Amino acid sequence: NFMLTQPHSVSGSPGKTVTISCTRSSGDIAGNFVQWHRQRPGSAPTTVIYEDDQRPSGVPDRFSGSIDSSSNSASLTISGLKTEDEADYYCQSSESGNVVFGGGTKLTVL
Amino acid sequence: EVQLVESGGGLVQPGGSLRLSCVASGFTFSDYSLNWVRQAPGKGLEWVSYISGNANGIYYADSLKGRFTISRDNTRNSLYLQIDRLTVEDTAMYYCATTRSGTPDYWGQGTLVTVSS
Repeated sequence: NFMLTQPHSVSGSPGKTVTISCTRSSGDIAGNFVQWHRQRPGSAPTTVIYEDDQRPSGVPDRFSGSIDSSSNSASLTISGLKTEDEADYYCQSSESGNVVFGGGTKLTVL
Repeated sequence: EVQLVESGGGLVQPGGSLRLSCVASGFTFSDYSLNWVRQAPGKGLEWVSYISGNANGIYYADSLKGRFTISRDNTRNSLYLQIDRLTVEDTAMYYCATTRSGTPDYWGQGTLVTVSS
């Protein structure tokens, strides 16, 4: 099985842009879709990006997802940071029926 | 509106069993595969198990095989997770979540399982 590695934490100021990376340990990042889930304190996760770069309805276009085959990684970029974006973010992918989550990244909006 | 409502959690002694349920509404249940995902206190998300829409495909996390059994009843729009021989390490919030090509995942609010003597 592969692993997904995320930074433990990132931070940014209101109005700025942050990017959270998610690196796949083995296998092709482009071979299986990547999802990004946000979890605010005390709440259940919600999906903010699915299938690499698709935004569910209701998720603002400040959120974008991408993959980079050269680094075998996926990224979640949040622009125009707001205090409400402060949360834990998890990347997730799958292969052969196994689902893998990254360890999560705590986003702090300073 | 898609809704997933988990139930069945609670306080159980080590060695006991629990059956968790997840009732769905707002979508054609049999068209969606489903996952159980758990989160221990203060920890990250951990995938537990997957079941396809017609239950022909079932997978478990390697570390959890043997004590967990996933099932579904498409006539009742319900997903289940049977957990046997519970240990303190199974203490977690358990979430059900949908997965289907071309759509975002939807998550329930979770049900808390506490294993303690």
